[in-house]
Amino acid sequence: GQSLEQPSEVTAVEGAIVQINCTYQTSGFYGLSWYQQHDGGAPTFLSYNGLDGLEETGRFSSFLSRSDSYGYLLLQELQMKDSASYFCAVRQNQGGKLIFGQGTELSVKP
Amino acid sequence: DGGITQSPKYLFRKEGQNVTLSCEQNLNHDAMYWYRQDPGQGLRLIYYSQIVNDFQKGDIAEGYSVSREKKESFPLTVTSAQKNPTAFYLCASSIVPGDNEQFFGPGTRLTVL
Repeated sequence: GQSLEQPSEVTAVEGAIVQINCTYQTSGFYGLSWYQQHDGGAPTFLSYNGLDGLEETGRFSSFLSRSDSYGYLLLQELQMKDSASYFCAVRQNQGGKLIFGQGTELSVKP
Repeated sequence: DGGITQSPKYLFRKEGQNVTLSCEQNLNHDAMYWYRQDPGQGLRLIYYSQIVNDFQKGDIAEGYSVSREKKESFPLTVTSAQKNPTAFYLCASSIVPGDNEQFFGPGTRLTVL
């Protein structure tokens, strides 16, 4: 089978750093993506890792370790507007569809 | 402005009726997708299309049908055969099939009474 595992909920305070983990088990792997979705809204693309290592985009960074079938999204200097659900997604092959995790609901407190 | 539009935002239907959800994009993207999202859940792929006049079943295609007669349009019909149709439906597109970045529409929340 294929599965992506993420924590269901994470809570952090404004200004802090939070890490959202994603482990995957899929029949193929062609990259890990992260999406953000505010309540009732459209998911928006945050980042992509095709190779091992860290990708940084402003306050957000994403990491991948293919040997561990593991990745994470790191959010720094948390702001209230970062409260949202975050989804990891795996593409199994070139040209293939994305498989999404169940999502992690991040709550940022004052 | 380029983007993806879905209409309507909220839709109510009686049980046993077919209903068609609209999805239009003016991004000139080749690939389009339909996802279903249930409360507290991830996105599950219903159907996808890599090119005009072609589409493939996703993971939960039963009870749904699609067409792709134009590059810009990818309507989804929820048929009476779908056992539990009440959900949030999201349409997305990507420049090419398999692109890691998909662009999503605002979604249609369907409630079947």
